[in-house]
Amino acid sequence: DAGITQSPRHKVTETGTPVTLRCHQTENHRYMYWYRQDPGHGLRLIHYSYGVKDTDKGEVSDGYSVSRSKTEDFLLTLESATSSQTSVYFCASKHEASALHFGNGTRLTVT
Amino acid sequence: KQEVTQIPAALSVPEGENLVLNCSFTDSAIYNLQWFRQDPGKGLTSLLLIQSSQREQTSGRLNASLDKSSGRSTLYIAASQPGDSATYLCAVRSNSGGSNYKLTFGKGTLLTVNP
Repeated sequence: DAGITQSPRHKVTETGTPVTLRCHQTENHRYMYWYRQDPGHGLRLIHYSYGVKDTDKGEVSDGYSVSRSKTEDFLLTLESATSSQTSVYFCASKHEASALHFGNGTRLTVT
Repeated sequence: KQEVTQIPAALSVPEGENLVLNCSFTDSAIYNLQWFRQDPGKGLTSLLLIQSSQREQTSGRLNASLDKSSGRSTLYIAASQPGDSATYLCAVRSNSGGSNYKLTFGKGTLLTVNP
């Protein structure tokens, strides 16, 4: 678990509302990632960060934005939640050549 | 674009058996490869990380090998136990393209070890 905390662990929200998921790591890792995991699709990268205020899009970034104002925090925002964004969201972090470590996930349900 | 495939999708074995999980990737220009395990409702736990210059890594009853030229990695589990039951995923960090910060994941192999 390498000191990665995700909050909240569970959230139910309504379609059209904004949602922010938080990832906090205590390892001083440079790289941080947001993935979603869905049956039949596996893990898909949403956004990632390679330093403070340095972020880039992954393969499924539409409808999501991120921010990283401090090394330890990486926020994922759903601007206007849709039912297709119901998923389990995982945050991960790593050093340059080290192993990738994951948080325990956030289960998001959009009704 | 890197693609990672894991076969089989599911595997059921009796306790005590030695087993091999397979991972293949399409682009051999990789930086490293990592094996994970995921228990139901949990996050991914890192098992082994193999750098591109390495051929294998070992941790306890686990041994992972890497053959870059053929685009394959295997995870060998010796003397399997019911507690090994989980989904095992491999992920490849590519060394080509615009960004080498990203990992590409396989969809995993669901392992069940029966007592």
